[in-house]
Amino acid sequence: DAGVIQSPRHEVTEMGQEVTLRCKPISGHDYLFWYRQTMMRGLELLIYFNNNVPIDDSGMPEDRFSAKMPNASFSTLKIQPSEPRDSAVYFCASSLGVYEQFFGPGTRLTVL
Amino acid sequence: DQQVKQNSPSLSVQEGRISILNCDYTNSMFDYFLWYKKYPAEGPTFLISISSIKDKNEDGRFTVFLNKSAKHLSLHIVPSQPGDSAVYFCAAPDSNYQLIWGAGTKLIIKP
Repeated sequence: DAGVIQSPRHEVTEMGQEVTLRCKPISGHDYLFWYRQTMMRGLELLIYFNNNVPIDDSGMPEDRFSAKMPNASFSTLKIQPSEPRDSAVYFCASSLGVYEQFFGPGTRLTVL
Repeated sequence: DQQVKQNSPSLSVQEGRISILNCDYTNSMFDYFLWYKKYPAEGPTFLISISSIKDKNEDGRFTVFLNKSAKHLSLHIVPSQPGDSAVYFCAAPDSNYQLIWGAGTKLIIKP
């Protein structure tokens, strides 16, 4: 298996623009997680899905953030409008069961 | 409130010696713990775990020890190798099955 795939790997955008991050989990995994990593706050869980259903989005910082999982092989994290403080590395992870999560390589987002 | 704490931001160890990374937790309900390793520009990768019914779990050069009374766990790497240089995260699932992560410890293996 190719592992968790994220795209793009790097994104540079201007404040106010819409940003969409994409994730393909490992086939057969029933959990999908979106994390954000910053120097100040470390690794933060934003939202997670179980069998394509959002279970807990309490980590989503604001209404500007939204996530969807239309099917078992694809998820998106959208930021609209983006702000400079959203600059971070965003990780997607998947797991069979919730404990041992497999992470993608991350998307480094820079909002100017 | 940090439920999982890694109080050492960094640790430097000579190649071939033992590396010991520490993790403390405050929630006595935690019953499973994981260690992840992260290289720059990559996502964390699962390394080793331990259930609270055990006090030790070993996998090759990596051993995790759990002291429930002290709410403390440690990861031992013997012998340390240059490829072990990375950031190590301790994590535990809470009652909602979300992983609670420590802040990480950067391990530097000196040749």
